[in-house]
Amino acid sequence: GAVVSQHPSWVICKSGTSVKIECRSLDFQATTMFWYRQFPKQSLMLMATSNEGSKATYEQGVEKDKFLINHASLTLSTLTVTSAHPEDSSFYICSARVPPGEMETQYFGPGTRLLVL
Amino acid sequence: GQNIDQPTEMTATEGAIVQINCTYQTSGFNGLFWYQQHAGEAPTFLSYNVLDGLEEKGRFSSFLSRSKGYSYLLLKELQMKDSASYLCAVMDSNYQLIWGAGTKLIIKP
Repeated sequence: GAVVSQHPSWVICKSGTSVKIECRSLDFQATTMFWYRQFPKQSLMLMATSNEGSKATYEQGVEKDKFLINHASLTLSTLTVTSAHPEDSSFYICSARVPPGEMETQYFGPGTRLLVL
Repeated sequence: GQNIDQPTEMTATEGAIVQINCTYQTSGFNGLFWYQQHAGEAPTFLSYNVLDGLEEKGRFSSFLSRSKGYSYLLLKELQMKDSASYLCAVMDSNYQLIWGAGTKLIIKP
């Protein structure tokens, strides 16, 4: 299957700082990427849909000014958690939609675990 | 509204067979997916069904009945490494994945 990478895999930061997470599709071009958040023992929660060259579409209840998404190229989307607080500590996972013509599915990156102190 | 239902937790014995059910109600249907997620890791793709019937892939099989809004994931010859959460997801008419809460599968020796 398609390969999606995320960087960093672990982040520990102080409250009030900003953290940037990168999501890359390594062997295909992804016009659409997705950002999920998962708290312990809970299901995946879609935060936003990131489309290359346009503004991200945020799910209800997700603050777009706090979670900045940039999808500047067909292989890279970034999520910046601005002014992070302890309640933002979570497992952030991106996924990329495979190109048209292939079976419609999403492949996930390995995730980024964020701990805000 | 859109809804995906699957059991919260199941327990099975190593070497046995287990069936994880998923029922769904969504606005449109463009396929049903099963993902496996080990603790602390991201989900990995297992199977995709868009037509009625059974898709077999090694020890894992997935079944779909669109008229009943029902799917199951069948795991045979269970191994300890199969202990994980199994996520059912349906792609709706907007090609968005609607996720179930996942079924935690516990394998006992």
